[in-house]
Amino acid sequence: GENVEQHPSTLSVQEGDSAVIKCTYSDSASNYFPWYKQELGKGPQLIIDIRSNVGEKKDQRIAVTLNKTAKHFSLHITETQPEDSAVYFCAAIDTGGFKTIFGAGTRLFVKA
Amino acid sequence: NAGVTQTPKFRILKIGQSMTLQCTQDMNHNYMYWYRQDPGMGLKLIYYSVGAGITDKGEVPNGYNVSRSTTEDFPLRLELAAPSQTSVYFCASSYTRTGNNEQYFGPGTRLTVT
Repeated sequence: GENVEQHPSTLSVQEGDSAVIKCTYSDSASNYFPWYKQELGKGPQLIIDIRSNVGEKKDQRIAVTLNKTAKHFSLHITETQPEDSAVYFCAAIDTGGFKTIFGAGTRLFVKA
Repeated sequence: NAGVTQTPKFRILKIGQSMTLQCTQDMNHNYMYWYRQDPGMGLKLIYYSVGAGITDKGEVPNGYNVSRSTTEDFPLRLELAAPSQTSVYFCASSYTRTGNNEQYFGPGTRLTVT
């Protein structure tokens, strides 16, 4: 079946450093790629997304890049802060818009 | 707006018991979803609904049933609970499948089947 691979599973950085999380998807029909942040005991929350007709999108310290040919997309967090510590999930959604395939998640630790 | 609410927060079931997980959203969203999240894993779609009276299976529907009698409510029913259904269950909703299909998630229900 369709899947989304996410790496790394765990990432530890010093406060102020950058963090990069990478995902690869298999379904060529995927055209919407959201990133979610999940804090302990809470549901995931959308932090940024990108559509297939765009190569890069930025929102303050967070950016996402998409390479549709290679079926890769990445999350970049600059100037990390302790409150960025959480689990981050990438996802891919097909053109039908219903079936979201999530990556396995990356646990990010930002050390003060 | 309360957003997406789920009850209960925690539940322990014995093997073979049944229960209903409740989900309500007050954002007038047409689309609603149920996911399960196993430890260290991403979310898997169980069922989804595109409007009142319309539901369809996701990736892992076996052992579950849903109904959607109103726009606001989307309960998930577990019949004959099994240990493999031990998981955290999230309900989500979204306004539209096109454009920015942001899904809003509830806080989750942690279910243990022993």
